[in-house]
Amino acid sequence: AQTVTQSQPEMSVQEAETVTLSCTYDTSENNYYLFWYKQPPSRQMILVIRQEAYKQQNATENRFSVNFQKAAKSFSLKISDSQLGDTAMYFCAFLGNQFYFGTGTSLTVIP
Amino acid sequence: GAVVSQHPSRVICKSGTSVKIECRSLDFQATTMFWYRQFPKQSLMLMATSNEGSKATYEQGVEKDKFLINHASLTLSTLTVTSAHPEDSSFYICSARAGVTGVSEAFFGQGTRLTVV
Repeated sequence: AQTVTQSQPEMSVQEAETVTLSCTYDTSENNYYLFWYKQPPSRQMILVIRQEAYKQQNATENRFSVNFQKAAKSFSLKISDSQLGDTAMYFCAFLGNQFYFGTGTSLTVIP
Repeated sequence: GAVVSQHPSRVICKSGTSVKIECRSLDFQATTMFWYRQFPKQSLMLMATSNEGSKATYEQGVEKDKFLINHASLTLSTLTVTSAHPEDSSFYICSARAGVTGVSEAFFGQGTRLTVV
């Protein structure tokens, strides 16, 4: 079975600074997607960014970017110019035959 | 993005009764549905994966006779918690995928907060 590991249960960052959230995964599949989701207190899952495994180029969405290292099975999220609204739980996720989530990182942006 | 509607958003039931949660894809055909359980401040734990017209594949440790999953059409999957007990109280989330493997992403319902009293 696939596993997704987030080694940082909690992180904090000053407003306007940059923060990186780590994620590693394990799989024997070749064709898969990786995601970062944000979950605010409402519990609605909000897609932050996604990466297709067959693409070497790292995905970027405005202030959010990833560092995808396929051989190392690493998929970190960088948030630039952090904003107060970025405060939330962040989950790394693997979508192949199943859809697994990491344990989550609680991010707090400090004013 | 595509819309997935999950109903009800909140339900309270008595211990020993059964409760059904529906997950509908409103504007796409969901070949695959995923069902999750989430405890407070914890991650989404995959309970089962269901492909339309097939029996669901349950994760290790999930009782398939207690958590009945039906995926009879390409737009609807249901999770029935049978003989519910207080320890079944949790937040349940569905996710629908427009494809089987490799060519899609998945979209989430709003979640259902189940309280068993």
